[in-house]
Formats: sequence, structure tokens, C-alpha cells
Amino acid sequence: NAGVTQTPKFQVLKTGQSMTLQCAQDMNHEYMSWYRQDPGMGLRLIHYSVGAGITDQGEVPNGYNVSRSTTEDFPLRLLSAAPSQTSVYFCASSFSLRSSTTDTQYFGPGTRLTVL
Amino acid sequence: KQEVTQIPAALSVPEGENLVLNCSFTDSAIYNLQWFRQDPGKGLTSLLLIQSSQREQTSGRLNASLDKSSGRSTLYIAASQPGDSATYLCAVNDYKLSFGAGTTVTVRA
Repeated sequence: NAGVTQTPKFQVLKTGQSMTLQCAQDMNHEYMSWYRQDPGMGLRLIHYSVGAGITDQGEVPNGYNVSRSTTEDFPLRLLSAAPSQTSVYFCASSFSLRSSTTDTQYFGPGTRLTVL
Repeated sequence: KQEVTQIPAALSVPEGENLVLNCSFTDSAIYNLQWFRQDPGKGLTSLLLIQSSQREQTSGRLNASLDKSSGRSTLYIAASQPGDSATYLCAVNDYKLSFGAGTTVTVRA
């Protein structure tokens, strides 16, 4: 298993540009999520999905869109990049968030995004 | 809204000393709590997951306790080694994961 993969690893954007961060997992996980990590603030949930076709907003969803057309893929789209979106973005997956033994979260290596 | 706090923010110890990392949370209605390790420039690696019905979980030199009623969890790392140097994060699952900001540990050789 490759686990959770993310592309690209690094990205520099200009203000106003759009882009898509890719996330894929090969563990047949139902639950997938996107976080951003900023210094001193921990990880904050952007959007999450409990299965194909089902997405919901997290703590900081503004400026981001997601879709889940397959179990494996969960791309994150930045609609019009702003300097405040400079951050490290992590994708994570698990079987669920409500079972007793399968809630372990698996994280991708992250995408480091700079918006100028 | 769940608030998760980790104190201290940073910790430096000599090799061989036991580490004690603290995590507190405000809403005790949780499914489980997870401890992660993060190396610089890397993603998060799960260390231990404690279900809400459990009091503790052990893996090798790591032991995590959970007191749900008081909103606290503690991660113990026995006989620390320089390779334990990393940032340790706790995350509380109440159907959404809420993370603490982490404790950065340095183990001096």
C-alpha cells in the first residue's frame, strides 16, 4: 500500500491564482479530510468527507472547495489564492471516525503552499 | 467547540530521562483520543489511539492515559533517546478531530 499520497509537495502561487491539491489513498478508507497547519495553531480542519459523494465543511472552509467522486481521491481546490492561505496542507484518511478500532488517522506527507 | 491544549509548548531533556506530555480538552463527549508524532517537514504518524472507554494504552516505551471526566490525557515516553526528538500532537475525536498545537521535544545526547 502507498498509504496517503499528496501532490505537489511544494507550490508557489500568485494572489488570485487557482489550483488543486491532490490527495489519494489506497486503503479503501471512507473518511477523508483536509487540514492546514500554521505555526503555533496546530492543525485546523478545512473540509471532510464520510464517503464518495458526501462532503462537509470543517473549521476553516472559506476559500476552499472539495469534491469526492471516488473513494480513493479527495482533491482540495483553492478558488482564488490569498496570502492568508500560505500554509502546510495535510490530507488524512481513516476507515471511519465512529468505530472502536478503525479510527486511526493516516496522514499524507503534506503540501507546502506559498501565496505571494 | 472543542478546545485542545498542550502544555508545555517545548521541552528539552537529557537522554535517558522519562518524558511526560500533557493534553487537555474541554468537552468530554469524545469517541477517542489519538497521539501523533511529527518530524520536521514531515507528515503525522499515529503513535497511540485510546478509546473513550479505556484508561490507558501502551506500545513499547510509550504509554498514554486518558481521564475523560477531567478532560486530560498524558503521554509517557520511558528512557528517552535522541531519536524521540520531534513534535508530539494530541487529537480529540468527537466526530471531528480537534488538534492541540503540540509539544516540541528535544532529547539531548
